[in-house]
Order: sequence, then C-alpha cells, then structure tokens
Amino acid sequence: DQQVKQNSPSLSVQEGRISILNCDYTNSMFDYFLWYKKYPAEGPTFLISISSIKDKNEDGRFTVFLNKSAKHLSLHIVPSQPGDSAVYFCAASANSNYQLIWGAGTKLIIKP
Amino acid sequence: DAEITQSPRHKITETGRQVTLACHQTWNHNNMFWYRQDLGHGLRLIHYSYGVQDTNKGEVSDGYSVSRSNTEDLPLTLESAASSQTSVYFCASSDTKEGTGELFFGEGSRLTVL
Repeated sequence: DQQVKQNSPSLSVQEGRISILNCDYTNSMFDYFLWYKKYPAEGPTFLISISSIKDKNEDGRFTVFLNKSAKHLSLHIVPSQPGDSAVYFCAASANSNYQLIWGAGTKLIIKP
Repeated sequence: DAEITQSPRHKITETGRQVTLACHQTWNHNNMFWYRQDLGHGLRLIHYSYGVQDTNKGEVSDGYSVSRSNTEDLPLTLESAASSQTSVYFCASSDTKEGTGELFFGEGSRLTVL
C-alpha cells in the first residue's frame, strides 16, 4: 500500500513554461512534506518543504502547494530551465513517526 | 567542505556472499540512514542510527545489518547477498530527525547480486 503516490512517471515541459509535479498521499497523519531532486548517478538533494500548518511555500522559482482536504501537494517550477531536468521525489512524515515515506518519483524533461 | 561519501560505487557479487557498503560523513551529524532505491518504489529505509551505538530497523531491514562505532561511519552489511538485494543503495545524514529536516545523501552504491 503506497502511502505517497506520484502517479506520473514522467513529464515533458517546454523550456520557459511552468512545470507542475503532483503528489498524493493517503495517511492523514502526515504533517510534513518535502521535495527532493535527483540527477543521474547522484544522490537526491533537498529542494523545498512544507508543514501542514501552511498551504504554500515558495523558494525562488519553486513553489509547493498543499491541499490537506484533498491530500494532495504539487511542486510548481516557473520558469522551467534545462537544468531542472531530473527525477523529483515527494516525501512525507508524521510527527509521531519521524520516518520519511517516499513516492516513486517523476522524471521531468525540459525541452529546449 | 563537508561531505558524505559511499564506497564502492559499483559492486558485483554472487549469491550468498557477505557484502559491506561503506558510508562516511564529515558533517558531524548524529543521524545517519541507509536507503535502497528500486524502480517503482522510490526510496525505502533499511536501517538508521541517531548516534554512536544506536541502530534501528527501517521498513526493509531483513537481510541487512548496520553498526555505529563512531559519528562519521555507518557501514551496511548484507550477511548473505540475495538477488532481491540488487539495487542502488543511498546513505544519508542529517542533524535533525529524518522526517523534519534536510537529508544529505551520498552518490549511491549500485549493487548487483548474481
């Protein structure tokens, strides 16, 4: 039973346009969410996070939106750049259990 | 610069052999983690440690063990490698508990069990 789901294995976006990556979760106890970015042959690197007390967090070109009622979060990248081509992982944790639960990842391809 | 390194980066072994993957961090973080990444599964936690002499089982700990004798190192041992343990393994460290802070990952160790 996957508690964190990234239903799009891949996404292709034109350079300069908006990239929207989606993540759904089933556990209502999750209260902290993170996005990581991973290039081939490298480890994941932290990108942005959001606590359940907020519905939006922004860092430069990256914005994460959280919809608790829908158990859904999304990562927006505006504008998309070639260096954004990578696999993006969504992860979640519940305060009572510090362990992160990871989605399967979405491969983002930015087309020139 | 502080970093986290894994070795070997690539390893091919045979079923039944013992394998140890090394992880060394210079962040001076108390918390260290081992994950495996398989297609369609994201990252799954194998073992973790919150400090010297502390080790804990994660979601997929069967067939794996770790030991923490100092702050810098958390080696992962496969006692008797199985083909199901063919995967990419990532070590990570953090100065906070896993679920609430940024994890710093190594570059990964690709293990193939024949």
